[in-house]
Amino acid sequence: EVQLVESGGGLIQPGGSLRLSCAASGFTVSSHYMSWVRQAPGKGLEWVSVIYSGGSTYYADSVKGRFTISRDNSRNTVYLQMNSLRAEDTAVYYCVNSGTRSTSPFDYWGQGTLVTVSS
Amino acid sequence: DIQMTQSPSSLSASVGDRVTITCRASQSISNYLNWYQQKPGKAPNLLIYAASSLQSGVPSRFSGSGSGTDFTLTISSLQPEDFATYYCQQGYSTPQKTFGQGTKVEIK
Repeated sequence: EVQLVESGGGLIQPGGSLRLSCAASGFTVSSHYMSWVRQAPGKGLEWVSVIYSGGSTYYADSVKGRFTISRDNSRNTVYLQMNSLRAEDTAVYYCVNSGTRSTSPFDYWGQGTLVTVSS
Repeated sequence: DIQMTQSPSSLSASVGDRVTITCRASQSISNYLNWYQQKPGKAPNLLIYAASSLQSGVPSRFSGSGSGTDFTLTISSLQPEDFATYYCQQGYSTPQKTFGQGTKVEIK
């Protein structure tokens, strides 16, 4: 059974840093495209970042230069390092298994972890 | 970037109603269109992929159609558990797979 469990969210001051983790089971993260999607309170879904099975990484313009996606194959875990956090980064962050092709749908989602950026 | 526009933003319907939600892409995306359902406090759930393919385990009352720029999600007979927010997503222009703004289906 595919499972994704996020952790690392919390309350952080503007300008601070946070690292989110996504522990996967039931599949191998290094063989899949793994994404982060966020949802601000009461708002819609926003794609944030993806790491391809080959290791290439991509970011939304809103987080480029501040966020870094990575993975640890030995732990079967994906990370999102978030630096220089802003109030507008406040959201639930979902880890997503986005398949084995660049056009695959997002078929497995974690339960989400809440990041609140506030002083 | 490809923009996805859903309509309506919200709708009220009764159990048993036929419901249609529309999604329009700012440029052609072939059939690379996915639909998700999200209930309050929960992660989104994939309903339809490749515009018209039903995800495993999703009830057959859900269907999708369209290609190019115009797409439709139809619920043939609305059930109590279908009251939720629905999102479309384009999978054509990668890596930035943009979502529509969502359509909230509420009880009339």
